[in-house]
Amino acid sequence: AQKITQTQPGMFVQEKEAVTLDCTYDTSDPSYGLFWYKQPSSGEMIFLIYQGSYDQQNATEGRYSLNFQKARKSANLVISASQLGDSAMYFCAMREDPYAGGTSYGKLTFGQGTILTVHP
Amino acid sequence: NAGVTQTPKFQVLKTGQSMTLQCAQDMNHNSMYWYRQDPGMGLRLIYYSASEGTTDKGEVPNGYNVSRLNKREFSLRLESAAPSQTSVYFCASSEAGLAGGVYNEQFFGPGTRLTVL
Repeated sequence: AQKITQTQPGMFVQEKEAVTLDCTYDTSDPSYGLFWYKQPSSGEMIFLIYQGSYDQQNATEGRYSLNFQKARKSANLVISASQLGDSAMYFCAMREDPYAGGTSYGKLTFGQGTILTVHP
Repeated sequence: NAGVTQTPKFQVLKTGQSMTLQCAQDMNHNSMYWYRQDPGMGLRLIYYSASEGTTDKGEVPNGYNVSRLNKREFSLRLESAAPSQTSVYFCASSEAGLAGGVYNEQFFGPGTRLTVL
């Protein structure tokens, strides 16, 4: 089964509007972390935001916020006040922490990505 | 700090040729990773090294070998390249320790675009 699912291959948003990029995940581990990365056309991977499974509050980093709904196993990225420079591929990723003292050594499982296009 | 560096940036191989992708990080991270990125599939883990002296398979290890030369360097080797290995390869590192450690984000290198003809 897919562990990370991003159901939106492409999204369009008008400059200065907010946009939500969807991410659902599947894990049976009690502890895990969720990450969002941005990949512009130049190809580098840029870390945006992190949410731990035990975090009580939704993570925020500037214009980025993570709408974390643990019961629904979703971790949607919200970008407020979109800018032309936000046009890029966005990846959701999960790190699982196995129970009983095990560790994933930080390994990430990525979703397929969503291409965001910001229109002027 | 350079962060994570990868060489080469581009490479074209013929089927059956071998090559080594180099990766180095200057952030004193324990853990290093190799991913491949194919269209429509996101990034998939090939191999990882939790700490110096250890390596382990990821999701798609077939056709690859790795060496954690020291804490800084983690290389990926294709012994006999195949067209199916045409991809963009990313190296990453993070301060992810052993059991009970604190996990931070992974820092990625700029990638190597490999074409196998």
